[in-house]
Amino acid sequence: GENVEQHPSTLSVQEGDSAVIKCTYSDSASNYFPWYKQELGKGPQLIIDIRSNVGEKKDQRIAVTLNKTAKHFSLHITETQPEDSAVYFCAGYSGAGSYQLTFGKGTKLSVIP
Amino acid sequence: ETGVTQTPRHLVMGMTNKKSLKCEQHLGHNAMYWYKQSAKKPLELMFVYNFKEQTENNSVPSRFSPECPNSSHLFLHLHTLQPEDSALYLCASSQDQTSLTGELFFGEGSRLTVL
Repeated sequence: GENVEQHPSTLSVQEGDSAVIKCTYSDSASNYFPWYKQELGKGPQLIIDIRSNVGEKKDQRIAVTLNKTAKHFSLHITETQPEDSAVYFCAGYSGAGSYQLTFGKGTKLSVIP
Repeated sequence: ETGVTQTPRHLVMGMTNKKSLKCEQHLGHNAMYWYKQSAKKPLELMFVYNFKEQTENNSVPSRFSPECPNSSHLFLHLHTLQPEDSALYLCASSQDQTSLTGELFFGEGSRLTVL
């Protein structure tokens, strides 16, 4: 089955700086990679996703890049703000045989004002 | 109400108790999920129901018993739990299981503590 590794587990940045979170996956058949943000006391919420036919996707201050050859994808947050502080999860989905997402362990991002 | 609602938000129970977690979604989705979230571990998928039929059971111990009476409601019945079952239990829904359009909608979770 799919295995998703996520790094780093914790990340602290100054407000206004950029943050990058990286994930690797094992199943070359995986074709869909979402990122979820979980704020304290809440459930995870989808913030951006990318499919394997696209190398990069951007939505305002967040972007995701995908390298299929190397089997890794990354979340980029620019001009970080205190409200970006949360736990971020990457996930992979192969859809082959088992229709379920495999999540990484999460990255706790702290944005220091 | 909108979205996915879970009750109770917090639950403390002894190992011999029987309790249930409830999830309700108001999104018109056909797939519902139970996930377990423990500290420093990935989200663990427990059960999936698609159009009220259980389609996934990820080797979950029988002390956890799911029930899906209709596409809008999902229960997780708990009995004779162990302290290591203490975790945040998240319910989620999606349009349906096989056409994963990209979004799982999660509830805020039920924080379970087993004494």
